[in-house]
Amino acid sequence: GAVVSQHPSWVICKSGTSVKIECRSLDFQATTMFWYRQFPKQSLMLMATSNEGSKATYEQGVEKDKFLINHASLTLSTLTVTSAHPEDSSFYICSAPGQGKEEQYFGPGTRLTVT
Amino acid sequence: GNSVTQMEGPVTLSEEAFLTINCTYTATGYPSLFWYVQYPGEGLQLLLKATKADDKGSNKGFEATYRKETTSFHLEKGSVQVSDSAVYFCALSRTGGFKTIFGAGTRLFVKA
Repeated sequence: GAVVSQHPSWVICKSGTSVKIECRSLDFQATTMFWYRQFPKQSLMLMATSNEGSKATYEQGVEKDKFLINHASLTLSTLTVTSAHPEDSSFYICSAPGQGKEEQYFGPGTRLTVT
Repeated sequence: GNSVTQMEGPVTLSEEAFLTINCTYTATGYPSLFWYVQYPGEGLQLLLKATKADDKGSNKGFEATYRKETTSFHLEKGSVQVSDSAVYFCALSRTGGFKTIFGAGTRLFVKA
């Protein structure tokens, strides 16, 4: 089946620094990828839709200058949390739709802790 | 608009008990319906899906039937195990990269 990887699986950074999270589709191409944020014991909140070759589409209330998304190729999307603050600490998950299929294939998630 | 509503948790059951997690949806057109499962500290995995009315999705002993007349997709399992403890998300989507709409998630605890 389709596999999506994320790197790193966890990261601790200091307040004010930037952190990049990678999302890769390992055995299929993804012109679209989705980035979610999940708080403890809560559902997934869609942050943005990453589009290969064009700008990302951000959901209402998500700061595009803070959460930079780049879809560099058909298998890679990156999320950069700029000038991170403790309130950005969360579990970030990416997904990609399978070709011709409606279901999403999810990465394992990245736990970000900002100290 | 499109939305998914599922029963609030947590749901606590003893091993071998019967499980039902209710899910209803609101959507235009004919979406596909999904149940995803999230084990502690992990991302989501597709558990089962149904793409049209009256379809039954099944996997690992779990089942759900796409009921258009009641706009429901309830998840059931006849005999739960401790290893089924996880968070279950009901969701809907369509082809073409249409973003997936998730329910709030239902946490299941199964006691030995």
